[in-house]
This record gives sequence, C-alpha cells and structure tokens, in this order.
Amino acid sequence: EVQLVESGGGVVRPGGSLRLSCAASGFTFDDSGMSWVRQAPGKGLEWVSGINWNGDSTGYVDSVKGRFTISRDNAKNTLYLQMHSLRADDTALYYCVRDRGSGWSSFPFDYWGQGTLVTVSS
Amino acid sequence: QSVLTQPPSVSGAPGQRVTISCTGTSSNIGAGYDVHWYQQLPGTAPKLLMYDNSNRPSGVPDRFSGSKSGTSASLAITGLQAEDEADYYCQSYDSSLDGWVFGGGTKLTVL
Repeated sequence: EVQLVESGGGVVRPGGSLRLSCAASGFTFDDSGMSWVRQAPGKGLEWVSGINWNGDSTGYVDSVKGRFTISRDNAKNTLYLQMHSLRADDTALYYCVRDRGSGWSSFPFDYWGQGTLVTVSS
Repeated sequence: QSVLTQPPSVSGAPGQRVTISCTGTSSNIGAGYDVHWYQQLPGTAPKLLMYDNSNRPSGVPDRFSGSKSGTSASLAITGLQAEDEADYYCQSYDSSLDGWVFGGGTKLTVL
C-alpha cells in the first residue's frame, strides 16, 4: 500500500523557516517524481514545487522561487521542502504527492498524503 | 485568480447529469497539455479522478467521464449520487509558467 506521511508543519513567525518532510513507502521511491501541493484554509489547490526521480530537475511556482527548496533522499525514501522567509500567504495545508512518472511535469498525481499544516503568524 | 477557470459551483438532483468546465489558454490546455481531474471529499485529501483528459484510474466508476477540446476540458458525472458531493479540480501544465496549474475548484452539491 502506498503511503505518504508528511511532517514538520507548525506555527512560525513571518520571516521564519520550516522544513517539511514526507516519508514514502509502498512503492519504489527512486522511480517516482514527487511534488508538494498546498491548500490555504477554505481555498483551492496550488502546486508548489516538483522534483524528478534523482533530484536533478526541479520546478517551483513563482511565488516561492528563491525562498523554498525541494529535495529528496532516495536512501531514506523521503521528500523535503525547505521553506525560508515565510509569509502569511504561505499558510496552508501542504500535501506530498507522487507523480505517476519519473519526472515532475508530465504525469498526474496519483497518490496524496494527508497533509501537514503550516501556519505563518505573529 | 486561477490560471484555469472553473465554475465555483454546480448542482444536480440524484440521478441527473452534471458537467464541470475547465477553461485554459494557449499556454496550457490549448498547447496540447493533458487535463487531469481530482475529487476532494469533505475533510479529505484530493484523489485522482480522471487523467489524460478522459482516462479513469482503476476504481473510478464509469459514471465519470472527461473530454477536452481546444482550450477547454470538461468533466461529466451521470447518475448523480449523494456520495459525489465534493470539490472538483482540473489540472494542466503551463509552458509559460513552467509548472502545474489548477483550476479554482468547483463545489458539486447533490440536491
């Protein structure tokens, strides 16, 4: 059974940093592209960042470029999202998602975690 | 404002047919990129409902169908059931933004 378990969310002050983790199991992690998708309270879905199977290709939504960094550790079957200079509008539930292919930009997201909540507030 | 445009809400009685539209531009749907659809039941994570415009993942009932034409796509649900009440999102790739884009979501209410 495919499982994606996010952790690392919490309350952080504006300008602060946070690192999200996603522990993957039930599939061959290093065959799969991965992404982070967020959902602000009561709002729709927004793709945040994606990474291919070996980490040498990444993508970001414009609003997080230069502030967020996606990475992965295939030996630990774990996906990360390092977030710096956090703003109030980064407040959201952050989902870890699996790409159906090995990249991050070609195939839909076939598995989703339950999300970890990030709240940016003073 | 989302890059892909969906109606905020649709509704229908049990057994009826509803459609949800998703309108894009020449840099996403109109550029030939596939459209995918997700269903988000209340309080849960989204689930892949339709991929590559018109393909259903295993386990999705054939009451759900998808299509794409030009710069738009649509999701149709026939034989509406109470359990279909959810938010529905379309997704495509955008070459100008070099990333994935979603529609704003459509809330389906089963009357």
